[in-house]
Amino acid sequence: DLQMTQSPSILSASVGDNVTITCRASQSVTILLAWYQQKPGKAPKLLIYRASNLEIGVPSRFSGSGSGTEFTLAISSLQPDDFATYYCQQYNTYPYTFGQGTKVEI
Amino acid sequence: VQLVQSGPDVKKFGASVKVSCKASGYAFTNYGFSWVRQAPGQGLEWIGWISAYNGYTYYAQKFQDRVSMTTDTSTTTAYMELRSLKSDDTAVYYCARDLGSLSHSSYLDYWGQGYLVTVSS
Repeated sequence: DLQMTQSPSILSASVGDNVTITCRASQSVTILLAWYQQKPGKAPKLLIYRASNLEIGVPSRFSGSGSGTEFTLAISSLQPDDFATYYCQQYNTYPYTFGQGTKVEI
Repeated sequence: VQLVQSGPDVKKFGASVKVSCKASGYAFTNYGFSWVRQAPGQGLEWIGWISAYNGYTYYAQKFQDRVSMTTDTSTTTAYMELRSLKSDDTAVYYCARDLGSLSHSSYLDYWGQGYLVTVSS
């Protein structure tokens, strides 16, 4: 299966910080990559699709970039509501696979 | 858009579970469904996809011999059945609306609230 590796696994940050999460694929997924946010006890929420497209209703402080095997999720000016776990998912090659998650904590 | 799942449930080792996902608020057959699970304290694992338009499915090989996904357009409900349950099937099972509607899965824009399945001996 295609492996997705996120770094870091845990990111300690403060309100107002700019943060970046990286997702690397073991082979090219073109731009077929999504980012999700998950809070404890809740379902994941779509943030970004096709690597850089912001889902409707998602704040513009979230942005995605990359193609091929390397992708980035950036959050500018971190807000209290952003402390959560973030997952990347490739949907280029079956079986679709997720990264292991990045927990953004205070 | 709403996806409402039933549950939670406790099942015996070796039993089967059928999870339902009632969809509302959109044109049911214009999308598919993916099913994703999350073991306690772990990450997300994609199980497979079904088209609500034509019933095409794709199952991850890991689950292929013991999972079945179906949809019922009359009740706008998707189902996932997992058979021969093992202890490591204990997880929250999510249904998600999949932008892939015809021949292949895509990304997931709405999720159900999750259904906890606990497998006990």
